[in-house]
Amino acid sequence: GAVVSQHPSRVICKSGTSVKIECRSLDFQATTMFWYRQFPKQSLMLMATSNEGSKATYEQGVEKDKFLINHASLTLSTLTVTSAHPEDSSFYICSANGRALYGYTFGSGTRLTVV
Amino acid sequence: KQEVTQIPAALSVPEGENLVLNCSFTDSAIYNLQWFRQDPGKGLTSLLLIQSSQREQTSGRLNASLDKSSGRSTLYIAASQPGDSATYLCAVSLNQAGTALIFGKGTTLSVSS
Repeated sequence: GAVVSQHPSRVICKSGTSVKIECRSLDFQATTMFWYRQFPKQSLMLMATSNEGSKATYEQGVEKDKFLINHASLTLSTLTVTSAHPEDSSFYICSANGRALYGYTFGSGTRLTVV
Repeated sequence: KQEVTQIPAALSVPEGENLVLNCSFTDSAIYNLQWFRQDPGKGLTSLLLIQSSQREQTSGRLNASLDKSSGRSTLYIAASQPGDSATYLCAVSLNQAGTALIFGKGTTLSVSS
């Protein structure tokens, strides 16, 4: 099946530091990956769409300079939260959509806590 | 703008009951609809995927139906078990592969033994 591996699963960082989250498609090539964030008891909100070899497309209200996305290969996308603040604490989850697949596969998510 | 609504927001049932979760969407021009399960603090597990040309999909005790014209989908869970306790999310995609899913807020199910 299609597997997406996301790391780390949990991270605690100090305010002002940067955190990188990785999302890898293990057994398929992901031409497009999506990054979502989820606040407690809320649904998943799309942050950005990442296409291999090109710049990410950010949703309205998402700061592209704060949430840096890199999709340099067909199997890896990274989200870097720069200069993190407590309000960035959330559950971040990636999703991949490969060429030959129907449906979307999700990573296991990253719980970010900024203290 | 596509909006996805799930009713009820929460549901508690005793073990063994059959139950129905509802999902509605405002724009019927969807490419597919997908039901997911999310356990607390975890990622999403895909349960069923229904293409826009299909009317239903089945997997074990789960059956999902799609009425695109009316903008509705239902997830039927037969003979519920405590292990079914989780949040169930409905999501739609508008175009072919390459566009993101739009999610509802989910239905949190609790099945008591």
